[in-house]
Amino acid sequence: DQQVKQNSPSLSVQEGRISILNCDYTNSMFDYFLWYKKYPAEGPTFLISISSIKDKNEDGRFTVFLNKSAKHLSLHIVPSQPGDSAVYFCAASGTGANSKLTFGKGITLSVRP
Amino acid sequence: GAGVSQSPSNKVTEKGKDVELRCDPISGHTALYWYRQSLGQGLEFLIYFQGNSAPDKSGLPSDRFSAERTGGSVSTLTIQRTQQEDSAVYLCASMMGRGSYEQYFGPGTRLTVT
Repeated sequence: DQQVKQNSPSLSVQEGRISILNCDYTNSMFDYFLWYKKYPAEGPTFLISISSIKDKNEDGRFTVFLNKSAKHLSLHIVPSQPGDSAVYFCAASGTGANSKLTFGKGITLSVRP
Repeated sequence: GAGVSQSPSNKVTEKGKDVELRCDPISGHTALYWYRQSLGQGLEFLIYFQGNSAPDKSGLPSDRFSAERTGGSVSTLTIQRTQQEDSAVYLCASMMGRGSYEQYFGPGTRLTVT
């Protein structure tokens, strides 16, 4: 049973426009959420995170929104750039002792020049 | 500073052979994780080390999988009697320690079992 879901496998946007990547989760014990970006043949790179006590966190072109009641978070990238083309993973961590991350399957973002 | 490194980057092995995958975490990071990513899937947690505590092995898929972390630094993931379904990218991540959430990943080892 997938606890972190990224239901859209891919997204294509025009350069300069906004990219919105969605993520849903089922486990209400998750209290910290992260987005990772992955290029081919490289490991995932940490992008941005949000604590469950917040509903928004912004870092430059990247903003993550959290809706706890809906168990939904989204990553907004604006303006999108061709270098943003990659696979984006949503991950969640609980309050357990080991802070292991539970990942979604990822979404492939393509930014068209 | 240096990030997480893993070796080898690629490994092709015959079914039934044993393999060892190595991870060098970021210096000073006390937590170390192993994940694997099978084709078209997200990252699947395998095992977690934190300092001198007993590792959390709850994600290991079978008793053919084991891992060690020597001296609180380098870790080795061993897969015995490899099967074709073990083919995946094996990723190591390290984290500063308790109270942190951001894990930093290595480039992974792509394992192919023929």
